[in-house]
Amino acid sequence: DIQMTQSPSSLSASIGDTVTITCQASQDISRFLNWYQQKPGQAPKLLIYDVSNLETGVPSRFSGSRSGTDFTFSISSLQPEDIATYFCQQYDSVPRTFGQGTRVDIK
Amino acid sequence: EVQLVESGGGLVKPGGSLRLACAGSGFNFNNYNINWVRQAPGKGPEWVSSISSSSTYIYYADSVKGRFAISRDNAKNSLYLQMDSLRADDSAVYYCAIWQRPLGIWGQGTMVTVS
Repeated sequence: DIQMTQSPSSLSASIGDTVTITCQASQDISRFLNWYQQKPGQAPKLLIYDVSNLETGVPSRFSGSRSGTDFTFSISSLQPEDIATYFCQQYDSVPRTFGQGTRVDIK
Repeated sequence: EVQLVESGGGLVKPGGSLRLACAGSGFNFNNYNINWVRQAPGKGPEWVSSISSSSTYIYYADSVKGRFAISRDNAKNSLYLQMDSLRADDSAVYYCAIWQRPLGIWGQGTMVTVS
C-alpha cells in the first residue's frame, strides 16, 4: 500500500500569512494526487487535482506542486474562511490512501 | 446541479447488515468510476471500495473485503454498498465520491453506527 505522510498535523497562522502543507508518498504516484478541504460537519471538497490544477471556482490563493514523491499545498494569503482541515489523497493505485490531515486555524 | 446523495445509514447491532445507496444526478452517471469512502468521528477519510463505470473492475479495502459488496445500476443512476457482518469499527460517515475528471464531487454522507 502507498503511505501518504502529511505534515504538519496542525498549524496556526495569521490572516494574510502563507501556509504550506506537505505530503510525502511512500513510492512514485506520478501526478495522481488530490488536495481536499474539509470544514466541520461537511464533506471533503476537492480543491486541487492532479497535483496543481485548481478545481473550478477555487480561489487562486490555493496552489499545489510536486517534487518527486513530495507534494506541497499552499495558501498564499490565509483568509478566515480557509479555517478547515486539509487532506492529500493519492489515486495512483489501490488502495487509494489519504494523508492524516492538517488542521489550519487562526493565530 | 451535479450531485451525489447518499441514503440508508442508521444504527445496527454488531453482526448486522445495512445497505447504503447513492443517487447521482446532473451528470452522465454511466461514464464514471465511483467510490465509497468512510470517515470515523475525528479521523481522516478511509477509502472503502471502487467500481468502474460498467462494473467490470471492483476493488475493496482489506478491512472490508469479504464483508462488503459494491454494485451499481446505471439505469437508475445509483450506486450501492451492501454491508454485512458489521463491526463497531465500521461506524463512520459513509460518502460516495467521484474523482475522475472532469468531476470531483462527494455526497453529503450517511452515518452508520454499529452498537
